[in-house]
Amino acid sequence: GAGVSQTPSNKVTEKGKYVELRCDPISGHTALYWYRQSLGQGPEFLIYFQGTGAADDSGLPNDRFFAVRPEGSVSTLKIQRTERGDSAVYLCASSLTVGGRGEHNEQFFGPGTRLTVL
Amino acid sequence: KNEVEQSPQNLTAQEGEFITINCSYSVGISALHWLQQHPGGGIVSLFMLSSGKKKHGRLIATINIQEKHSSLHITASHPRDSAVYICAVFEYNNNDMRFGAGTRLTVKP
Repeated sequence: GAGVSQTPSNKVTEKGKYVELRCDPISGHTALYWYRQSLGQGPEFLIYFQGTGAADDSGLPNDRFFAVRPEGSVSTLKIQRTERGDSAVYLCASSLTVGGRGEHNEQFFGPGTRLTVL
Repeated sequence: KNEVEQSPQNLTAQEGEFITINCSYSVGISALHWLQQHPGGGIVSLFMLSSGKKKHGRLIATINIQEKHSSLHITASHPRDSAVYICAVFEYNNNDMRFGAGTRLTVKP
């Protein structure tokens, strides 16, 4: 399987708990994106990595959300003190290197992690 | 107002019909994606385009940069085309994508 993978596929947790969502991008893709999709809506941008660094985290809703990509491959989205409003499908996508301003490559999406906060 | 607007929100068609889904955006963009999302959440990129027209099988995507408008056409629609179709734009000088709310297409046999 050469596609983007995400684990777990489903996560049910209780309000106030901590969760980690994992994304394995396509090998060789240096750009990695996290999105969140609420029911009936289009995805919304959370954070973008170019290599190991978070190049743009302007979409993270608050400081309970944090993401890392320590080795420039696998990324983990971390949510502290989860709230019911965090329930959504969290999507990860990867692409080849972004070549500069305005130069974006096609993104390949993972299957998503459905997070349910009770 | 959402930066990316799609119409219609829902579309029901009979098998064989020609389908058009529209996308209008209000920001300057470097490229536009058409994505397909099947029940269960998996998203597949259909097209990425920045000008003109692209064709893949029964799917055709067009974009008019001056009018800030794109259309996705499906010829000879089939029930397996039933999915949510999402328009997303790369805002110029930005690294994130802005998504439309999607168009839910149902093709009946």
